[in-house]
Amino acid sequence: DIVMTQTPLSSPVTLGQPASISCRSSQSLLYSDGNTYLSWLQQRPGQPPRLLIYKISNRFSGVPDRFSGSGAGTDFTLKISRVEAEDVGVYYCMQATQLLTFGGGTKVEIK
Amino acid sequence: EVQLVESGGGLVKPGGSLRLSCAASGFTFSNAWMSWVRQAPGKGLEWVGRIKRKIDGETIDYAAPVSGRFTISRDDLGNMLYLQMNSLKTEDTAVYYCTAGVGATEVDFWGQGTLVSVSS
Repeated sequence: DIVMTQTPLSSPVTLGQPASISCRSSQSLLYSDGNTYLSWLQQRPGQPPRLLIYKISNRFSGVPDRFSGSGAGTDFTLKISRVEAEDVGVYYCMQATQLLTFGGGTKVEIK
Repeated sequence: EVQLVESGGGLVKPGGSLRLSCAASGFTFSNAWMSWVRQAPGKGLEWVGRIKRKIDGETIDYAAPVSGRFTISRDDLGNMLYLQMNSLKTEDTAVYYCTAGVGATEVDFWGQGTLVSVSS
């Protein structure tokens, strides 16, 4: 099984400042078709998760451009360029190269 | 607008059974890979299993903790996804989400979830 490890566990951020979350996989997420199936999801308090980013860096429909994803192989990053109040929640990375597994989550909160 | 509405959750004793349903609308259900993901109280997300679309063989895969106890099925005519859960354990207590993969990932859209509580 592919294990996904996120850091930090918690990220207190000042409104308007950037935030960054890291995700590392236990093996390469590069699939035989040339794609890397690494996604990021957001779960606001009391809400179901929502897809933000897929295949490392592609924003899903309706996702603001302050969210961006990068990385390759086993190391990936989600960045929020300027945190807004509505960005509070838990962020998960997810791999779908080999079935599906999720990272443990990173809580983004306002300082 | 994509809608996924789960139902069937509730309180059940260890060893019991429950069947969850997910009613889908707003997309071509027969073209979607459908999955179940659960979230124990205060915990993270855990993939339960998925069923591919018919043209991909309708292959079904399960996470190890539920394999042999849970069964996923789909009804493309009625736009329904099901999760039959048998031999339930206390550690199966969670909110169960239905998800649809319609092009980007296997979990493009999520339902609101249904709570399953396993307790004596």
